[in-house]
Amino acid sequence: ETGVTQTPRHLVMGMTNKKSLKCEQHLGHNAMYWYKQSAKKPLELMFVYNFKEQTENNSVPSRFSPECPNSSHLFLHLHTLQPEDSALYLCASSQLTYQETQYFGPGTRLLVL
Amino acid sequence: TQLLEQSPQFLSIQEGENLTVYCNSSSVFSSLQWYRQEPGEGPVLLVTVVTGGEVKKLKRLTFQFGDARKDSSLHITAAQTGDTGLYLCAGTGANNLFFGTGTRLTVIP
Repeated sequence: ETGVTQTPRHLVMGMTNKKSLKCEQHLGHNAMYWYKQSAKKPLELMFVYNFKEQTENNSVPSRFSPECPNSSHLFLHLHTLQPEDSALYLCASSQLTYQETQYFGPGTRLLVL
Repeated sequence: TQLLEQSPQFLSIQEGENLTVYCNSSSVFSSLQWYRQEPGEGPVLLVTVVTGGEVKKLKRLTFQFGDARKDSSLHITAAQTGDTGLYLCAGTGANNLFFGTGTRLTVIP
């Protein structure tokens, strides 16, 4: 059991829709991450939050907008996505950034039509 | 970009066989982690290796970190169907973390 939950588990949306992904960690960690996992590509780090502050944005398009209201919750707001954005979106948390073990949620499988 | 290449990309073996998967890079990492990801789930950490040349064993799994801290291997003895999954290596630096391309292992009963 990872202690990191994600909702929804599956999402289908049109290119004009606006939706949000939610992540919650129950581990008392201070760092949270969003990753994108596409077929045949390495896991791509999108955003890093440390103590609620965004510390990294890996050149992610503005149609992805993260929000971290507190150390336990992380959102990814989606709008005007493209079909190539279809992927598994994983949330993770760790006590501190990078050097510490990351605990992953089960992911949200996103399909953009 | 610090690229971590894993090989083979796909591996299908019979239950009871042994196998080794590799994680290689031209970059030096301060530590290297191995994760296993099962369908419909996120990756789960198996081990972290920190010292060059380090060997760690986790039941039937043996992990080795290269002397130069640029590569790593995972050896599984007497594979079981429960070992099926995507194996990911991840290298950590001072302020970054890079994941490998993954090895998808299927163990056939």
